[in-house]
Amino acid sequence: DVQLVESGGGVVQPGGSLTLSCAASGFAFDDYTMHWVRQAPGKGLEWVSLITWDGGVTDYADSVRGRFTLSRDNRKNFVYLQMHSLRPEDSALYFCAKDVSPNLGYSLEHWGQGTLVTVSS
Amino acid sequence: DLQMTQSPSSLSASVGDRVTITCRASQHINSPLKWYQQKPGKAPQLLMFGPSSLQSGVPPRFTGRGSGTDFALSISNLQPEDSATYFCQHAKTFGGGTKVEV
Repeated sequence: DVQLVESGGGVVQPGGSLTLSCAASGFAFDDYTMHWVRQAPGKGLEWVSLITWDGGVTDYADSVRGRFTLSRDNRKNFVYLQMHSLRPEDSALYFCAKDVSPNLGYSLEHWGQGTLVTVSS
Repeated sequence: DLQMTQSPSSLSASVGDRVTITCRASQHINSPLKWYQQKPGKAPQLLMFGPSSLQSGVPPRFTGRGSGTDFALSISNLQPEDSATYFCQHAKTFGGGTKVEV
């Protein structure tokens, strides 16, 4: 079975940094694009970032571009979301998700349970 | 930037009813919308990524249609387990969500 397990969330002060990890198992990890999507408490879904199967293409929402960096380790089956210059509006539950495609399919077939990021002084 | 406007934001219906959720794009879209179901405290689940691309295990009571700028998700023979929030998605943009209460 496909499993995605996020970790690394926590409380951080505005301007701080945090790195989220997503451990993947149960599928050929290096065959698929991976995404991060976030959801503020009681709010809707916001797409954050993607990385294609080989790491060749990354893309970011305008709201995080220049502050967040997504990478992957296909030997360890992990994706990493480095977040810098965090703002209170970045507070959300961050989901890692697997695409159905190795490229830009944007069909998020499997999701983890999320890791909570709170940006507050 | 593309905007996806979902309506209604919430609805209440009875078991056995048919409900329709609409999603309007601010510009023409050339590919099918994706639809997700999210139950409280859970991660979203992909329902379909096109009118003929129902995810495994999703009952055929869920149907998607539309093209261009206007899309819809219909749920027929509504069941209690269909109580959830539904989101449409095109590429990087999600709709605001529709909470369905059965």
